[in-house]
Formats: sequence, C-alpha cells, structure tokens
Amino acid sequence: QKEVEQNSGPLSVPEGAIASLNCTYSDRGSQSFFWYRQYSGKSPELIMSIYSNGDKEDGRFTAQLNKASQYVSLLIRDSQPSDSATYLCAREGGNKLTFGGGTRVLVKP
Amino acid sequence: DTGVSQNPRHKITKRGQNVTFRCDPISEHNRLYWYRQTLGQGPEFLTYFQNEAQLEKSRLLSDRFSAERPKGSFSTLEIQRTEQGDSAMYLCASTSRAGGAPYGYTFGSGTRLTVV
Repeated sequence: QKEVEQNSGPLSVPEGAIASLNCTYSDRGSQSFFWYRQYSGKSPELIMSIYSNGDKEDGRFTAQLNKASQYVSLLIRDSQPSDSATYLCAREGGNKLTFGGGTRVLVKP
Repeated sequence: DTGVSQNPRHKITKRGQNVTFRCDPISEHNRLYWYRQTLGQGPEFLTYFQNEAQLEKSRLLSDRFSAERPKGSFSTLEIQRTEQGDSAMYLCASTSRAGGAPYGYTFGSGTRLTVV
C-alpha cells in the first residue's frame, strides 16, 4: 500500500464547476498535509496546507481533512481553464514530505 | 528574496558521465531537500539537510548519488556514472523549522536530466 494515494485522473471539469480531488494516506500519525499544483514541465507550487480536522478555505480553494478516515480533499470552486494542472497531495512525516502520484485536472471551456 | 534557485535548468549527458546540480535555497530556510520526479509520478524523496548536516538519505538512493551542503547555504547533488534510469527532474525544496506550526516547502524550478 502506498503511503499517499490519489486517483491519477484525468478529472474533466466544465469551466465554472467545482473540481473535487481526494487523497488517502496510510500513516495515522500524519499531522500535516499539503496540496501542490504542478503545471506540465514546471515544479510544484504550494496552494494549501492543512493541519487540523475540518475545512480550510483560501479563495476558490477549500481543503478538508478527516484524520479518523485518513483522507484529505481539495475543492476548486468556479474552475477556470488556468486550473488545468496536476494536483499533488503530500503528507509530512519523519521531517519530510511524501507525495501521492497526483491527479490531473482538465477544465474545459 | 528570489525563492529557491536551481542550476542548470536542463542537462543532457552521456551514459557513464558524472553530473552535478546546484541548489540555492531561500536564505532564512534551514532545511533543504532533494527530490526526484519522473513522468506521471509524484516527487520522490532523496535526501535532506538541516543546516550543513545531512540527516536522512532515502534507502532507494544508489551509492552513485551524493549530496553536500558545506556551509549550510547552497547544496550540490552529484550523480556518478550516470545511467539512463537516472533521467528525471531533480527538484530542490527548502523550508524553515523554528518551532510551532510547520511551513510549506518551497520548490525550485528543477533540473531536468536526460541521459543518452
């Protein structure tokens, strides 16, 4: 079992709709989680971090953490074509980030 | 502050040659990480430094790979006797630990290595 798992996609979303991305993790001791956006050929860019159970909102992005069920999710509201990218979920443990394989999101005009 | 800087951006080398990459982290960050990413995969941890001390190396890391951070500032990653399987994007990231809540890791633009 991988430490961090994501559906590879692609997740196809109409412009203006909500994109919902999920991530599960295996280590119950994980405390901190991060969502990164990565455009093709570019490096990961941090968009959200979450440490506590519940929701955290930042602009059009909402991260949700449920430690009991060991999942993290990311909602992108009012999706734009510029949101088309791969979204990487990462957990911090042992003083380093462990990444999932990423979910590719395609926002269609 | 210009973020995390990596050089070179691209490197093409022949199999068997040695290559060295450089990373300059954000100046106030005391932790520096090296990751490797292949197409369609998430970044894979290689090693990290806190100041000048190398605190962890991945078990997957071959002995052909070595990293240094001599004065706790910039870092170099060297790959000796490169193989085609070493072709990947090599990413450097830095972060700060000063107590309290952890901070996000900031990535550089990466060095894309192609071994031919």
